[in-house]
Amino acid sequence: EVRLVESGGDLVQPGGSLRLSCAASGFAFSSYWMSWVRQAPGKGLEWVATIKKDGSEEYYVDSVKGRFSISRDNVQNLLYLEMKGLRPEDTAVYSCARGRNSFFWGQGTLVTVSS
Amino acid sequence: DIQLTQSPSSLSASVGDSVTITCRASQSIDTSLNWYQQRRGKAPELLIYAASSSQSGVPSRFSGEGIGREFTLTISRLQPEDFATYYCQQSYSFTPITFGQGTRLEIK
Repeated sequence: EVRLVESGGDLVQPGGSLRLSCAASGFAFSSYWMSWVRQAPGKGLEWVATIKKDGSEEYYVDSVKGRFSISRDNVQNLLYLEMKGLRPEDTAVYSCARGRNSFFWGQGTLVTVSS
Repeated sequence: DIQLTQSPSSLSASVGDSVTITCRASQSIDTSLNWYQQRRGKAPELLIYAASSSQSGVPSRFSGEGIGREFTLTISRLQPEDFATYYCQQSYSFTPITFGQGTRLEIK
């Protein structure tokens, strides 16, 4: 069974930092591009970032470029999202997702940016 | 960026009805269009990929079609578990990947 389990979400002040993790199991992690997507409360879906299978390429939505960093550990089957300079508009459930063109989603972890 | 506009934003229907949701792209995206279902409090699940191909395990009452700029998702013979929010997503332009704003399907 394919499983993606996110962790690390928390309440953080504007300007703060957070690191999200995603533990993957049930599939050959190193054979898949991986992504982060988010959903603000009561809102739609937004793609955030994607990383190539071997970690050699990264892509970001403009609104997080320079603030967020996606990375992966293909030995431990872990996906990460390092977030800095957090803004209230970054408040959302962040889900890791298997894939590049279409997605298999995890349940997500809530990040709240508020003072 | 490629914009996706779904219509309607919401609709009401009864069990057994058939409904169609439309997704229009701001430019041609060939058949690079996926559809997801998101039940309340759950993660989105892929229903249709490449405009018309059904994901494994998806009931046959879900079908998609379209090419270029206009796409449709049709749900035939609605079941209680189908009342959810549906999103389209384009993968033609990888950066950024974009989603429609969603269509909420409610029980009449």
